[in-house]
Amino acid sequence: SQTIHQWPATLVQPVGSPLSLECTVEGTSNPNLYWYRQAAGRGLQLLFYSIGIGQISSEVPQNLSASRPQDRQFILSSKKLLLSDSGFYLCAWSATGTTGELFFGEGSRLTVL
Amino acid sequence: KNQVEQSPQSLIILEGKNCTLQCNYTVSPFSNLRWYKQDTGRGPVSLTIMTFSENTKSNGRYTATLDADTKQSSLHITASQLSDSASYICVVKRDNAGNMLTFGGGTRLMVKP
Repeated sequence: SQTIHQWPATLVQPVGSPLSLECTVEGTSNPNLYWYRQAAGRGLQLLFYSIGIGQISSEVPQNLSASRPQDRQFILSSKKLLLSDSGFYLCAWSATGTTGELFFGEGSRLTVL
Repeated sequence: KNQVEQSPQSLIILEGKNCTLQCNYTVSPFSNLRWYKQDTGRGPVSLTIMTFSENTKSNGRYTATLDADTKQSSLHITASQLSDSASYICVVKRDNAGNMLTFGGGTRLMVKP
């Protein structure tokens, strides 16, 4: 069966520090991968999605970046965090050419101080 | 513009009562509509999927309806339990648009004893 792992679960970082959130998927190949952000009490905002290794599409201009160095690995990064980067980050995957069901990781709560 | 609007934004009900959550969408062309349940601090999990030809679908105490003509969906929860306390998110997939999804802002449901 397929599983998705996301870490760290909780992160407290100072403004201006770097960020790296990692996500891996097991039990499937060539998944579509996504990074979403959810501000407190708000809906899900798509940040990045990837249909293959090295193929990243950005939905929202910001100081975040994403990379997909391997088929089932998706990394969210920042060189210098802003206060506004605080939020709940969710990694998700879906199978190519299907109904589009998203399978989410457990999330990473980022607090920038 | 492709949008998904959910109502109410939040809802408080007593344990054992029923409730209905609404989702209106303007996404076109329509492929399918999913309802997700998101427990606090967790990733969303799919409850049910509705395709164009389906009017009603049940998953235990959850019943989803779809009116493709009026572009409305509802999620009815019967005999609510404390564990139903969560955010419920309506997500619509466009046809012929890869895996691009449009998310509603969610309805935050609290079930009180």
